[in-house]
Order: sequence, then C-alpha cells, then structure tokens
Amino acid sequence: DAGVIQSPRHEVTEMGQEVTLRCKPISGHDYLFWYRQTMMRGLELLIYFNNNVPIDDSGMPEDRFSAKMPNASFSTLKIQPSEPRDSAVYFCASSLQGYGETQYFGPGTRLLVL
Amino acid sequence: AQSVTQLGSHVSVSEGALVLLRCNYSSSVPPYLFWYVQYPNQGLQLLLKYTTGATLVKGINGFEAEFKKSETSFHLTKPSAHMSDAAEYFCAVSDRGSTLGRLYFGRGTQLTVWP
Repeated sequence: DAGVIQSPRHEVTEMGQEVTLRCKPISGHDYLFWYRQTMMRGLELLIYFNNNVPIDDSGMPEDRFSAKMPNASFSTLKIQPSEPRDSAVYFCASSLQGYGETQYFGPGTRLLVL
Repeated sequence: AQSVTQLGSHVSVSEGALVLLRCNYSSSVPPYLFWYVQYPNQGLQLLLKYTTGATLVKGINGFEAEFKKSETSFHLTKPSAHMSDAAEYFCAVSDRGSTLGRLYFGRGTQLTVWP
C-alpha cells in the first residue's frame, strides 16, 4: 500500500483565499484524522471520522474550517477565508477500527498564508 | 479526556550514550500507549506500542519502553544513541472510553545527538 497520501505537499496563499487540503487514507481503514502542527501549540487534533461520519470536530478552531469525507477513500479540509495564523503543517492519519490501533500519518501539507 | 505529559521538551545526548525520554499519563484505567517518531519534514511514524501482555515493549531502531502502572509512566529508552536518532518523539495514549480510536499526544521531546 502507498500509505496515506496528502496533497498538495506545500501551499502558499494570500490571506483571504480559500485553501483545500486533500487526503487519501490507507485502503480499508475505518478512521481518518486531521491534525495541525505548529511550534506554539504542538500537534492538535482538528476532527476525526469513523466510516465517513464525523465523530468529533471540537478541535476545529473556527467556522472558517470545514472537513468532509464523501467516501472511504477521500477527505478534504477546507479553510475559507484563510488567515496568516492558519500557517502550519496539516497532517492526515488513518487507522483500522478498534482499540489500540496504530494511526498511520501522511507526509503532511505545509501551509503558508501570507 | 486523557492527558499525556512529556518531561523535557528538549533532550541532548552524546552519540553512544543512553537515551531516556519520559512520558506520564493520567488515567484511572490503563490506556493503550504509543511512542511515535517524527523526522524533519516528515509525518509521524510508530516506534512501538503497548496494548496488553508484557510490560516491556521493543520497537524499531533499538528503542524500547516499559509500562509501569503504579507510576502511570511509559518511558522510552535506547542503550546507545546514534546520530540518526535525532528527531522529535511523541508519546500518545488511546482512550478505552467513548473516544474510541482517538489518540492523545504529548507535546513532544526533541532529541539532539552530539557526535
């Protein structure tokens, strides 16, 4: 398997623009997670899905952030409008169903909002 | 919710020295425990995990960790550091409760290895 795939790997945009990050989880995995990593706040869980259904979105910082999982093989994280403080590395991870299952991380998308 | 504390945001050791990275968790019920490693400009990858059974867990690259229920700890060790071990290390716990599937991560410990 190719692992978790994220695109784009790097994104530079201007404040106010819409940003869409994409993730393809490992085939057969039931859970999908979106994380944000910054120096100041460390690794934060934004939202996670189980069988394409959002389970907990309490980590989504504002209404400007939204995430969807239209099918088992694709998810998006959208920021509209983007702000400089959204600059971070965004990771997608997936795992199988069950206790103690390992989360497999993608390579991340490095977002810079100018 | 679970809480994970990693003592020391930065640890520096000489090549060949013992590596000890500390992790404590807060839970009345022993959770599942993980150590992940993140190399520069990469995603996190699993080093090792404890679910049940033997409390001393061996992982990749010569790392191991011991689950100590009485101390609510899961410290990571390696007898002899190598330059290639320089990375950020994250301890994580998995809740057995309603947040099934979720991991709670510590703030991470940056390991520097000096030649």
